[in-house]
Amino acid sequence: GAGVSQSPSNKVTEKGKDVELRCDPISGHTALYWYRQSLGQGLEFLIYFQGNSAPDKSGLPSDRFSAERTGGSVSTLTIQRTQQEDSAVYLCASSLAGLATDTQYFGPGTRLTVL
Amino acid sequence: EDKVVQSPLSLVVHEGDTVTLNCSYEVTNFRSLLWYKQEKKAPTFLFMLTSSGIEKKSGRLSSILDKKELFSILNITATQTGDSAVYLCAVGPNDYKLSFGAGTTVTVRA
Repeated sequence: GAGVSQSPSNKVTEKGKDVELRCDPISGHTALYWYRQSLGQGLEFLIYFQGNSAPDKSGLPSDRFSAERTGGSVSTLTIQRTQQEDSAVYLCASSLAGLATDTQYFGPGTRLTVL
Repeated sequence: EDKVVQSPLSLVVHEGDTVTLNCSYEVTNFRSLLWYKQEKKAPTFLFMLTSSGIEKKSGRLSSILDKKELFSILNITATQTGDSAVYLCAVGPNDYKLSFGAGTTVTVRA
């Protein structure tokens, strides 16, 4: 079936603007994750959604970052007042039930460039 | 703080060579260790390891975990140019949060 999809694939914005990144998880997957990968760095956990539970936002780097997941499916990551250090690839993943033994399936990512 | 360290950071080999990638970890609560292959942007899943000493194999790739010494290795035999990628190791300290290493960049030359 279809995998995780993300849009846009690339986004160039000016410092201070807000951006929205979208993730469509695999149908039937209850868990959704957002990660960030800066150049030459490993993946950095941002936020986790599991079903109707309150999300774990412990990885969000500042209050300029927020995320929603509507209807237990599509998720949007919003970055307000973007800064140059926000430039990175933002990856979304989903898994069946959010257990550590579940495989996380990643989307192709959104490359964000803040000028 | 949880730590996942991969070595080497990068390596260059010729087709047909064997490579061994290392991943060591220190986490508060270990559940599983995962290996991913990342080409361009999205990592693709390779292996999940939860028990020590049991080798997982998939074609020319294999991996094993040592929970006593807190490390895992990923082997690639008879390398091909299509194996060129960044290989990521991740450890799941709880049910949902993965801590990733910085990755090993493998370049296979024809």
